[in-house]
Amino acid sequence: KAGVTQTPRYLIKTRGQQVTLSCSPISGHRSVSWYQQTPGQGLQFLFEYFSETQRNKGNFPGRFSGRQFSNSRSEMNVSTLELGDSALYLCASSLVQGGENTEAFFGQGTRLTVV
Amino acid sequence: GNSVTQMEGPVTLSEEAFLTINCTYTATGYPSLFWYVQYPGEGLQLLLKATKADDKGSNKGFEATYRKETTSFHLEKGSVQVSDSAVYFCALSDRSSGNTGKLIFGQGTTLQVKP
Repeated sequence: KAGVTQTPRYLIKTRGQQVTLSCSPISGHRSVSWYQQTPGQGLQFLFEYFSETQRNKGNFPGRFSGRQFSNSRSEMNVSTLELGDSALYLCASSLVQGGENTEAFFGQGTRLTVV
Repeated sequence: GNSVTQMEGPVTLSEEAFLTINCTYTATGYPSLFWYVQYPGEGLQLLLKATKADDKGSNKGFEATYRKETTSFHLEKGSVQVSDSAVYFCALSDRSSGNTGKLIFGQGTTLQVKP
């Protein structure tokens, strides 16, 4: 069974640009969550999508957005990039059973560098 | 709000030494608890989990017991190997809030095992 796949693995962007990251969950997993990992702030929750709807949202500005497609693949977008957006962005997928998420499985992440 | 506190690292041990990484949590409801491990340049891998009080999660020689009375979920291993060198994260998801798709992480503990 294939794991969570994130593309691309590495990105370098310039301040002010926008970027789109992609995540393909494990087959059958309908919940996809996104996290930002930085040395200073650690792992922070961005948002969760389930059945194409955003179900949870963390404390990030509106420049961070996402969506989920009918095949459960998800994308996140960051507009007007700032230097502080440089981070490892991790995607996780999980099953939802009885209304609750089972354990989350993570992809290898996308390393975004903003210059 | 919900939070997770881990002992600060780095933790440096000799091979075959006993490992304990402390983790305590604050949660309003009845969280599920997890330990994840991150190897250099990789995403997070689920190490073990526990979903209710007194549950013991175990995997690859690692163990952790969900202690509700002390709000703790300490990670232990009887004999560490060089290959265990990584960053370990304690995390919770709060089922009572309905936000089971959101994980709250501790700051991570770096473990270095020397031959």
